[in-house]
Amino acid sequence: QLQLQESGPGLVKPSETLSLTCTVSGGSISSSSYYWGWIRQPPGKGLEWIGTISSRGSIYYNSLLRSRVTMSVHASTNQFSLNLKSVASDTAVYYCVAEAIFQGSNWFDQWGQGTLVTVSS
Amino acid sequence: SYVLTQPPSASVAPGKTARITCGGHNIGSQSVHWYQQKPGQAPVVVIYHSDDRPSEIPARFSGSNSGNTATLTISRVEAGDEADYYCQVWDSTSDQRVFGGGTKLTVL
Repeated sequence: QLQLQESGPGLVKPSETLSLTCTVSGGSISSSSYYWGWIRQPPGKGLEWIGTISSRGSIYYNSLLRSRVTMSVHASTNQFSLNLKSVASDTAVYYCVAEAIFQGSNWFDQWGQGTLVTVSS
Repeated sequence: SYVLTQPPSASVAPGKTARITCGGHNIGSQSVHWYQQKPGQAPVVVIYHSDDRPSEIPARFSGSNSGNTATLTISRVEAGDEADYYCQVWDSTSDQRVFGGGTKLTVL
């Protein structure tokens, strides 16, 4: 069973870059069964997909966040990461997810526990 | 971009059937996934591909999808089913993953 764990600073200053890492255990990040993604949830609000990346380098970003987001995969450490620059109203719980691949109908099969990132000076 | 519409809230008595809808243009032609999120926890998939259920999810959870509406049905509702429920699709025309706004299910 895959397990995912987010790590990174819980507090980021406005205009700076939010950086998070997700460590995958119980399976390989190079698996052909999964893509890897990030989803966030502002306090008291709904889920927002941020982006998805494959171990082979295919990347899909939320069109509303594309100009500020960078995702990458680190196969040697079985991790993937998120950078979100110029943060402002980006306070949220950030989840890393394993996206099960199935004929163009992928779903978010496994979730990390989530990490709260607060943007404040 | 593709929009999914869910009612903000729903309520049901224990033992009864809850139906949570997810509206979208011609959603019946897409695969819809449903997630359950209890307070303070990460979401969990309860239905994928509109009507498939992970093995660990009780058979009381089922899904259907036709026309412009997908539906998550929870039979014989229990107090432990009280949670937020989100629908999600992959808009293949734009490669965007889209969530509905979520429905808070209250068990009376």
